[in-house]
Amino acid sequence: SAVISQKPSRDICQRGTSLTIQCQVDSQVTMMFWYRQQPGQSLTLIATANQGSEATYESGFVIDKFPISRPNLTFSTLTVSNMSPEDSSIYLCSVKRTSGSRGTGELFFGEGSRLTVL
Amino acid sequence: AQTVTQSQPEMSVQEAETVTLSCTYDTSESDYYLFWYKQPPSRQMILVIRQEAYKQQNATENRFSVNFQKAAKSFSLKISDSQLGDAAMYFCAYRSRTGTASKLTFGTGTRLQVTL
Repeated sequence: SAVISQKPSRDICQRGTSLTIQCQVDSQVTMMFWYRQQPGQSLTLIATANQGSEATYESGFVIDKFPISRPNLTFSTLTVSNMSPEDSSIYLCSVKRTSGSRGTGELFFGEGSRLTVL
Repeated sequence: AQTVTQSQPEMSVQEAETVTLSCTYDTSESDYYLFWYKQPPSRQMILVIRQEAYKQQNATENRFSVNFQKAAKSFSLKISDSQLGDAAMYFCAYRSRTGTASKLTFGTGTRLQVTL
């Protein structure tokens, strides 16, 4: 498995502000993913964070709203910009290991960051 | 695009009993993974069980087993001897094995309650 730490665990933010969520992994990983889970909903992929290149965004998500950094193989950040109450969600970081996965295919998740926008 | 459907928003089971959670999916691919993840109130997604589509044998992990019907595109989860700690949201998920796509497509989830 992989140990994934996310910060902050939770935060309450004011409308119009931005917040950056950090994701730290205990080992090098090729691909990191950012998911959003709106209240009572399933998980939706925001983007895939690739080391050394631009993040790949899913339909409905744009870089201006959710800029992502991936400076190395163990760390990524997701910024939620110009927040509105509709951005109140749990944001989860997820990783796929580069080695040792034995082709098992699963992704590992952090504990998530719960954002509430007032 | 792949879709995953969980038709049971909520299920309830008595402690020590068995419960089955349903999942169907739609894909044109032949090689893929299927997963069941558990999300307790702590929010962390925990892998319960995985199934590789090329394997005919149903996966089993202790009290958790699946009924994988590839032709029917069905992937149900059976929890035996249910325990209070099994109470959580359960998500069925699909991942392609082809290309570089590693993203998971999730179903809408089933909330499982375990009663005494």
